[in-house]
Amino acid sequence: AQSVSQHNHHVILSEAASLELGCNYSYGGTVNLFWYVQYPGQHLQLLLKYFSGDPLVKGIKGFEAEFIKSKFSFNLRKPSVQWSDTAEYFCAVNARYGGSQGNLIFGKGTKLSVKP
Amino acid sequence: EAQVTQNPRYLITVTGKKLTVTCSQNMNHEYMSWYRQDPGLGLRQIYYSMNVEVTDKGDVPEGYKVSRKEKRNFPLILESPSPNQTSLYFCASSFAGLAYEQYFGPGTRLTVT
Repeated sequence: AQSVSQHNHHVILSEAASLELGCNYSYGGTVNLFWYVQYPGQHLQLLLKYFSGDPLVKGIKGFEAEFIKSKFSFNLRKPSVQWSDTAEYFCAVNARYGGSQGNLIFGKGTKLSVKP
Repeated sequence: EAQVTQNPRYLITVTGKKLTVTCSQNMNHEYMSWYRQDPGLGLRQIYYSMNVEVTDKGDVPEGYKVSRKEKRNFPLILESPSPNQTSLYFCASSFAGLAYEQYFGPGTRLTVT
């Protein structure tokens, strides 16, 4: 069965600090990878996704993520966070082929608090 | 305006009383899905539908039913709700499967006493 691990439950940073949120998944086949963000009181929005090609993907609001196949990782990064980045971040994975292509597995989420 | 709507937004009910949470999208999307969100557990997929009349179980389908008779609607049915189904529920849709961006509804907060 697929699973997704997010290493940090809660990360606290000051504005302008760099961010890296870890995400590892377990699945032997080809996967699609996603990062979603949930701002306080709002529903989920897609930050970025990786399907194939360049393993470094850029998303909205200056976020990027790197897919490292050998490590089964898809870490999210941002060079300089802002107070408005305070939110909960979710990594997610789904199998690209096979009968469960519609099944999306989420990690438990990482809360990011940015101090002004 | 393109959107996913859910009703009701808030619901308090009692154990065993059947309820339905509706989900509707106006984007002609093929794929729809239901998730529940619980503190410390993140989001877990309940059911999904790749198209009309095609539904499949997610990770936590027990205690839930769905149907997809029309493209735009994907109701979630709790035949006999229990307190462990107290949660925040999100419906989502995408053009055609997870290769396309999912659009999430505003959520339904359900409390079962």
